[in-house]
Amino acid sequence: EPEVTQTPSHQVTQMGQEVILRCVPISNHLYFYWYRQILGQKVEFLVSFYNNEISEKSEIFDDQFSVERPDGSNFTLKIRSTKLEDSAMYFCASRISIWEQFFGPGTRLTVL
Amino acid sequence: AQKVTQAQTEISVVEKEDVTLDCVYETRDTTYYLFWYKQPPSGELVFLIRRNSFDEQNEISGRYSWNFQKSTSSFNFTITASQVVDSAVYFCALSENSRRAAGNKLTFGGGTRVLVKP
Repeated sequence: EPEVTQTPSHQVTQMGQEVILRCVPISNHLYFYWYRQILGQKVEFLVSFYNNEISEKSEIFDDQFSVERPDGSNFTLKIRSTKLEDSAMYFCASRISIWEQFFGPGTRLTVL
Repeated sequence: AQKVTQAQTEISVVEKEDVTLDCVYETRDTTYYLFWYKQPPSGELVFLIRRNSFDEQNEISGRYSWNFQKSTSSFNFTITASQVVDSAVYFCALSENSRRAAGNKLTFGGGTRVLVKP
């Protein structure tokens, strides 16, 4: 069964460094999302992406964040200068229809 | 703005007991979609069930069942005959029928931790 994959599973970085989180959505899906979950808290929407542009973004998704679909398969989230409060689990999701979004296993980002 | 509230933060049961998780939502849309996701200790988010706002018929799928009531904006979820493997955090989520492509973002509730003891 096709699934969303994410790499790396765990990323440790120093405050102020740039990180790129990678996702490979399910191949025929057209709509892509990033969410984050701070430890012990709820899952929060960051950004949605369709037709090579951002469709919607939350207040969390400030100028430090960017997304890109550099080729036909990858979907990346870049944080330009990480802060301690960016430590969280980041989930990528994709969908093809109005129905459920399929989530990847997540990347745990730890900012020291 | 849409909002999802899961008032129960943690539920502890003994194996084989039924567990009902409450979910109350707020939305201004007349068309929307409701979901339940499971997050086991390993951390991934697993889709369980979905319902659209036009269909209030309640269903059973294996040991899972749900009770959707538009009048009270509730979408409760029941696990029948719970098992230890059901121990996880369960999230209720709402998606409005956005006119924007790639809208339909999910708004999650705070989650309910279910602990099933043997």
